[in-house]
Amino acid sequence: QKEVEQDPGPLSVPEGAIVSLNCTYSNSAFQYFMWYRQYSRKGPELLMYTYSSGNKEDGRFTAQVDKSSKYISLFIRDSQPSDSATYLCAPRDQGGKLIFGQGTELSVKP
Amino acid sequence: GAVVSQHPSRVICKSGTSVKIECRSLDFQATTMFWYRQFPKQSLMLMATSNEGSKATYEQGVEKDKFLINHASLTLSTLTVTSAHPEDSSFYICSARDQRGGVHRAFFGQGTRLTVV
Repeated sequence: QKEVEQDPGPLSVPEGAIVSLNCTYSNSAFQYFMWYRQYSRKGPELLMYTYSSGNKEDGRFTAQVDKSSKYISLFIRDSQPSDSATYLCAPRDQGGKLIFGQGTELSVKP
Repeated sequence: GAVVSQHPSRVICKSGTSVKIECRSLDFQATTMFWYRQFPKQSLMLMATSNEGSKATYEQGVEKDKFLINHASLTLSTLTVTSAHPEDSSFYICSARDQRGGVHRAFFGQGTRLTVV
């Protein structure tokens, strides 16, 4: 079993839709949960992160962690074509290493 | 945000030759740098962690004699792929952690696409 599981998609939605991206993980020791966005052939850029369970909102983006079920979510409201990218969840272990999910490829159609 | 410069962005080399990839933190000092490899449609896989002035720590299954890492200064780390073979063709990405700390202060380079022919 992989430490972090993420549906690779691809996921295609119309502009303005609400997007839900999800990951599950197996290591209960993870405390920080990062979400990265990666455009084609580029390095990942940090979108947002949360600590432990709970929600965090930043503009159109909301990150959610449920440690009891080991489930991580990223919601994108009012999705835009510019949101088209691959989204990677990455819990951080106690040594500071990021454990990346496979990434979900998102396409937002105008 | 902070900038991490990775060079070259793409390189094609002949089988059996060596390739060096540079990773520089431009506006901060990085005590720790990470090197990842990413195959098409796959996740980033950590290859090694390097700390300035000390030997790199390699992940299980990564050949340290093949992937030489040097972190000689707080702003520069290099990855050398020695005796490259076609199966080494991949997207290599570095990440630099700002020594001032903070969970969010680890920044990625733009990646290097290596093609071995």
